[in-house]
Amino acid sequence: AQSVTQLDSHVSVSEGTPVLLRCNYSSSYSPSLFWYVQHPNKGLQLLLKYTSAATLVKGINGFEAEFKKSETSFHLTKPSAHMSDAAEYFCVVSFREGGSQGNLIFGKGTKLSVKP
Amino acid sequence: DGGITQSPKYLFRKEGQNVTLSCEQNLNHDAMYWYRQDPGQGLRLIYYSQIVNDFQKGDIAEGYSVSREKKESFPLTVTSAQKNPTAFYLCASSTKGGLWQFFGPGTRLTVL
Repeated sequence: AQSVTQLDSHVSVSEGTPVLLRCNYSSSYSPSLFWYVQHPNKGLQLLLKYTSAATLVKGINGFEAEFKKSETSFHLTKPSAHMSDAAEYFCVVSFREGGSQGNLIFGKGTKLSVKP
Repeated sequence: DGGITQSPKYLFRKEGQNVTLSCEQNLNHDAMYWYRQDPGQGLRLIYYSQIVNDFQKGDIAEGYSVSREKKESFPLTVTSAQKNPTAFYLCASSTKGGLWQFFGPGTRLTVL
């Protein structure tokens, strides 16, 4: 069965320090992986995506993620947190099985707090 | 500007009433989706449609209904059969066979 696990429900960092949001997946197939960000009472915005090309993916707002097949991980990082990064982040997996349209599987989200 | 619009942003309904949430997109996407979001549970798929006049149940379709009469529109009706309808509802769209989805701003439904 396919699944995605976000290892922390809440992460708190100080402004200017690095951010690490962890995500692991399990799959029998080659997945496509995404990170979305959601600010309060807003829709989801795509931060970055991995679709079997380069394993280190750069996204918007200075975020990046590395696909590690051996560890089945796709952790999201940023070298220096900004107050505007405070939001909820979702790790999302899309699987293709037998050519049918794969639906997205969402992690339960990680709330990022940034302290001044 | 291309995008997805959802209306209204906030919606209140009395118990026992049906209510319809609007979702419109001008991205020329074939596929559209409805999700429900509850605190600490991520997003759960209610219904999706890959083409006009066709739609499929997602993981939590009970108590909901949809229609897809036009490519750009995918309204969701929350019926009185839905036992716990208070939630944040998100609509999304994608190209046919597309791997990632574009999301609307959401509608927060509160049942009084």
